[in-house]
Amino acid sequence: DAKTTQPNSMESNEEEPVHLPCNHSTISGTDYIHWYRQLPSQGPEYVIHGLTSNVNNRMASLAIAEDRKSSTLILHRATLRDAAVYYCILRDLGMLTFGGGTRLMVKP
Amino acid sequence: NAGVMQNPRHLVRRRGQEARLRCSPMKGHSHVYWYRQLPEEGLKFMVYLQKENIIDESGMPKERFSAEFPKEGPSILRIQQVVRGDSAAYFCASSPSQLVGGTEAFFGQGTRLTVV
Repeated sequence: DAKTTQPNSMESNEEEPVHLPCNHSTISGTDYIHWYRQLPSQGPEYVIHGLTSNVNNRMASLAIAEDRKSSTLILHRATLRDAAVYYCILRDLGMLTFGGGTRLMVKP
Repeated sequence: NAGVMQNPRHLVRRRGQEARLRCSPMKGHSHVYWYRQLPEEGLKFMVYLQKENIIDESGMPKERFSAEFPKEGPSILRIQQVVRGDSAAYFCASSPSQLVGGTEAFFGQGTRLTVV
């Protein structure tokens, strides 16, 4: 699987937007970019995915660079409930391979 | 539509005992994936099963661990003769079909195994 690189941790203030970066310079043409998050003591939860175009859903937005070598998960207004580990995963076929992710801390 | 159900949520076993972890996938899902998360570590893939078939077990330890997904009933992850190093959270995920490109997986809340 192509590898992703994410910062180990990030901090945000409540009610402010959060931009979580992910680098994936070895992405292949058929790899989808997926984001999952894991809240404390819970199982991973799907957030969003995309291939080439930017994507929006009720949870977040995904901005994909034109060359697809990086992407950014955008939480428009962070809440305390968004404190979690966020995983950026590339997948073409088969199981999800989790890296270290970014631990997002949200300050009130 | 109930989500992926795992039970028990917490399991305590003495060294040498057997642990059985159950996973009921979402309704209509016939593909199941098991992951293990050691304390303060990331999720590691263990095994991928379809009904009555093991598709990929490349992440399963060679000894003491086995998994099944029968035609009827939940998927079972079985750990024989548990050791302290088996203490971890075990997560199950399901999908309606093989995970390709844009397909999402749905995870359960996990079983936290503690070996004493």
